[in-house]
Amino acid sequence: AQSVAQPEDQVNVAEGNPLTVKCTYSVSGNPYLFWYVQYPNRGLQFLLKYITGDNLVKGSYGFEAEFNKSQTSFHLKKPSALVSDSALYFCAVRDLFGNEKLTFGTGTRLTIIP
Amino acid sequence: DTGVSQNPRHKITKRGQNVTFRCDPISEHNRLYWYRQTLGQGPEFLTYFQNEAQLEKSRLLSDRFSAERPKGSFSTLEIQRTEQGDSAMYLCASSSSDSRRGDSPLHFGNGTRLTVT
Repeated sequence: AQSVAQPEDQVNVAEGNPLTVKCTYSVSGNPYLFWYVQYPNRGLQFLLKYITGDNLVKGSYGFEAEFNKSQTSFHLKKPSALVSDSALYFCAVRDLFGNEKLTFGTGTRLTIIP
Repeated sequence: DTGVSQNPRHKITKRGQNVTFRCDPISEHNRLYWYRQTLGQGPEFLTYFQNEAQLEKSRLLSDRFSAERPKGSFSTLEIQRTEQGDSAMYLCASSSSDSRRGDSPLHFGNGTRLTVT
């Protein structure tokens, strides 16, 4: 079975500071990893994905994520936070060569403090 | 690209009634997914279609739930004899599969929020 853990329900960061939202995963084969963002009463918007290759992947709105196979982690990062980054962030995983089901974490609410 | 469209945005119904939701995916996408999201939780997979074929169903999808995608374009999700526990946001997503480039990420609609009273 595949699973995702987002250990922090809430992360608060001052505007202009770097931010990290943590994610660890479990999958039987090779992972296919995603980050999505959700604004109030909206669907999820794709930020970035990792399949293979460079462990640092860059995505939308200046976000990036680092894949660490030994730690089974895929933390989301941004060098300088904006107030508009405040939202709910979800990490998701599926087995690259397995079924099509994408499994999501429980989400981390990111609040950027002006 | 108009994105994934879901209707209605909100539905309030009484327990025991039937409801149906519609999802129109991005036109060139051959895969369509239904997820359910409750407050404080991430989306939970319900089912997915490749073209008109329903290829996978979650155990969460009880006999009261049925999904169709008759022509491989739009999809409907019906819940019969609704219960209060069915109250949730129902999300639809679509993607395309390409054997050369791999899968595209899921593109989500804004969801249908169901409230069962």
